Amino acid sequence: EPEVTQTPSHQVTQMGQEVILRCVPISNHLYFYWYRQILGQKVEFLVSFYNNEISEKSEIFDDQFSVERPDGSNFTLKIRSTKLEDSAMYFCASSGQGGNEQYFGPGTRLTVT
Amino acid sequence: GENVEQHPSTLSVQEGDSAVIKCTYSDSASNYFPWYKQELGKRPQLIIDIRSNVGEKKDQRIAVTLNKTAKHFSLHITETQPEDSAVYFCAASIQAGTALIFGKGTTLSVSS
Repeated sequence: EPEVTQTPSHQVTQMGQEVILRCVPISNHLYFYWYRQILGQKVEFLVSFYNNEISEKSEIFDDQFSVERPDGSNFTLKIRSTKLEDSAMYFCASSGQGGNEQYFGPGTRLTVT
Repeated sequence: GENVEQHPSTLSVQEGDSAVIKCTYSDSASNYFPWYKQELGKRPQLIIDIRSNVGEKKDQRIAVTLNKTAKHFSLHITETQPEDSAVYFCAASIQAGTALIFGKGTTLSVSS
């Protein structure tokens, strides 16, 4: 069964550095998402992407964040200048033609020191 | 915007008992309600979902009910097993391809 994959599984970075988190959505899916989960808390929506553009974003997704689909398979989240409070698990998700069922990747644990 | 409340935050049951987790939502435009199971350190896994044109959906030992008038939906797990132990999240969205707004989660512990 196809799954969403993410790399790296764990990223440690210093405050102020840029990080890029990578995702490979399920191959025939059309909608792509990023969520984050601070340890022990609920999953929070960041951004959705469809037809090569952002379709929706939350208040969390400020100017420090950007997303890109650089080729036909990858979907990336960039944080330009990381802050301590960006430390969290970041999940990529994708959904197919119908758009409803969202399937999550295994996550990237980002630790900002 | 949408707000999803989930109760209880923790639930402990004996193996074989039933477990019920309840969620309420605020936006009457929401029409898709999935439930995710998350084991420690793992990804959220979609276990069942329901759309607003249906009142109940069942898949083996799990079922979800939806009351659109009252804006609440519930997850029912029957004949619980230790491997059902996990954090369960409810969520809501307005339409396909849009944000899932999650509840705060319920930690279910099933003891044998």
